[in-house]
Amino acid sequence: AQTVTQSQPEMSVQEAETVTLSCTYDTSESNYYLFWYKQPPSRQMILVIRQEAYKQQNATENRFSVNFQKAAKSFSLKISDSQLGDTAMYFCASRPPGTASKLTFGTGTRLQVTL
Amino acid sequence: DVKVTQSSRYLVKRTGEKVFLECVQDMDHENMFWYRQDPGLGLRLIYFSYDVKMKEKGDIPEGYSVSREKKERFSLILESASTNQTSMYLCASSFAGGLGNEKLFFGSGTQLSVL
Repeated sequence: AQTVTQSQPEMSVQEAETVTLSCTYDTSESNYYLFWYKQPPSRQMILVIRQEAYKQQNATENRFSVNFQKAAKSFSLKISDSQLGDTAMYFCASRPPGTASKLTFGTGTRLQVTL
Repeated sequence: DVKVTQSSRYLVKRTGEKVFLECVQDMDHENMFWYRQDPGLGLRLIYFSYDVKMKEKGDIPEGYSVSREKKERFSLILESASTNQTSMYLCASSFAGGLGNEKLFFGSGTQLSVL
């Protein structure tokens, strides 16, 4: 079974600053996939970024990047140049290989971007 | 633009009622999922389906059933609604046949209140 832990229920950052959201996970799989999803006030979840565990290079999507530490089972999300539109719930998730495998989510971090 | 549509954004039902939550996707996805979202608990998988008429229990299937008679539609059924089923329900879909890193496409959620 996989578990995902997000230890920061809420965070706040000023516009244009950088913020890092933490995520740790536990799995017995040798390969797996990690994701960050964003849920804005509209409630529709969207994928922010994903990482394959066998790839050492950290994934990057524009202002969003991850710090993947496989040995520590850590997968943090860094948001650079924060914008008001980044205000949302952020969920970390993991999934073992296989198209019918289950995606396990963390409890989420509510991020507020302020002026 | 791809779409996952949930039939109701808000729903209020009485204890003991039979409740149907409908989800339709227009992307010809094989996989469909029902999640429940509660504050402090994140998203928990109720049921998922990887093909028409196929279903698999998730982590919290008790008190729920599902139906998938057509590829595009996945229904969640609360046979006898109870107050502890008051929650946000999220439907999602994804392609199959990949490695497991496919992203999920989510609907906007149904906030169900059982009184």
